[in-house]
Amino acid sequence: DTAVSQTPKYLVTQMGNDKSIKCEQNLGHDTMYWYKQDSKKFLKIMFSYNNKELIINETVPNRFSPKSPDKAHLNLHINSLELGDSAVYFCASSPGTGGWGYTFGSGTRLTVV
Amino acid sequence: DAKTTQPPSMDCAEGRAANLPCNHSTISGNEYVYWYRQIHSQGPQYIIHGLKNNETNEMASLIITEDRKSSTLILPHATLRDTAVYYCIVRVAYQAGTALIFGKGTTLSVSS
Repeated sequence: DTAVSQTPKYLVTQMGNDKSIKCEQNLGHDTMYWYKQDSKKFLKIMFSYNNKELIINETVPNRFSPKSPDKAHLNLHINSLELGDSAVYFCASSPGTGGWGYTFGSGTRLTVV
Repeated sequence: DAKTTQPPSMDCAEGRAANLPCNHSTISGNEYVYWYRQIHSQGPQYIIHGLKNNETNEMASLIITEDRKSSTLILPHATLRDTAVYYCIVRVAYQAGTALIFGKGTTLSVSS
């Protein structure tokens, strides 16, 4: 069983489209995250949810909207995709809001053409 | 912004110990140091964390200086599969929570 699973693994889409990435964790963790890794390989926090509540929103354009229907799921919807959105998006979960034991998914490589 | 400083790259021979340094001179007294690594383009993987005492687990050892301004991650017998980017991290506090902020890390290359 994959602990943190993301779908899809690859996503190629045209500018202006709307797309969603899904994340599910089966670890029973309370906290989930979205990170973005750009072409320069920097990993940047985007959002964090704790028990379905948004606790971190790191100045991400409002074209990005996370949704957490329950504490095991955190989805990311992106409207009006731009070339600069091309990146690898990682979902992660952790037992609480401490810094240990983050488990990351395998990433979704988004390419906007 | 990351609150840690690491060398951009290091090399290590297979079977030898890899010692990865990290400076965190502004760390507060109750803040932990966390180490993660990212192999190729996989998701980062948790390695170890510590506060002030040295820590060891099945993956690595963490040595923290007495003044807590720096630490060293030790992979006792590096293998080719340990080639990765290693991140030394101190959490960043936001209004309602905390998160790991990844810096540039150290790219460790293990060769035979």
